[in-house]
Amino acid sequence: DVKVTQSSRYLVKRTGEKVFLECVQDMDHENMFWYRQDPGLGLRLIYFSYDVKMKEKGDIPEGYSVSREKKERFSLILESASTNQTSMYLCASSFRRTGYGYGYTFGSGTRLTVV
Amino acid sequence: SQQGEEDPQALSIQEGENATMNCSYKTSINNLQWYRQNSGRGLVHLILIRSNEREKHSGRLRVTLDTSKKSSSLLITASRAADTASYFCARAMGYSTLTFGKGTMLLVSP
Repeated sequence: DVKVTQSSRYLVKRTGEKVFLECVQDMDHENMFWYRQDPGLGLRLIYFSYDVKMKEKGDIPEGYSVSREKKERFSLILESASTNQTSMYLCASSFRRTGYGYGYTFGSGTRLTVV
Repeated sequence: SQQGEEDPQALSIQEGENATMNCSYKTSINNLQWYRQNSGRGLVHLILIRSNEREKHSGRLRVTLDTSKKSSSLLITASRAADTASYFCARAMGYSTLTFGKGTMLLVSP
């Protein structure tokens, strides 16, 4: 069964900490994505990557960075966590770009609380 | 970004009834996709309809697309309690990323 695995289901961090959210997919997918989901705001794209060592900004990249050193792993980094980054973080991957008719496979999400 | 809207925001029905959710968007699309999210979990891909298709079926799901009205509908027939979830439409514009709406919360009561 193909999977996208996010390292933590729940995470509590302190303001100012550097936070790493890890995502691994076992499907040899080219593309990987990080979204955050907040009540009333839906899913918003933070960063995405179409290839190893490549990254593109999404709609809300401020306060975040990413790393993709290997095809299967895409890490989201909160350089200095703030309370307004408390959210559900969702990682997704796709075989090819969605315009070619491919859907996303999502991980189970990481609910991050910054205190 | 041109997110579009799902309608209604919330829908409550009885088991056995049909559920219809609508999605509108503002710019042209390559395809439109529907996803389901059970409470507190990740999204699951349900069905994809391309811009040159008008209707698609998958089990109890039926999706329609009207590109002239820039709208799509998801119909779930003979709903079950297990269908209780949030449903999202997502637009693929060009060859870029998916843009998701805010979702419709469906509650199916036994």
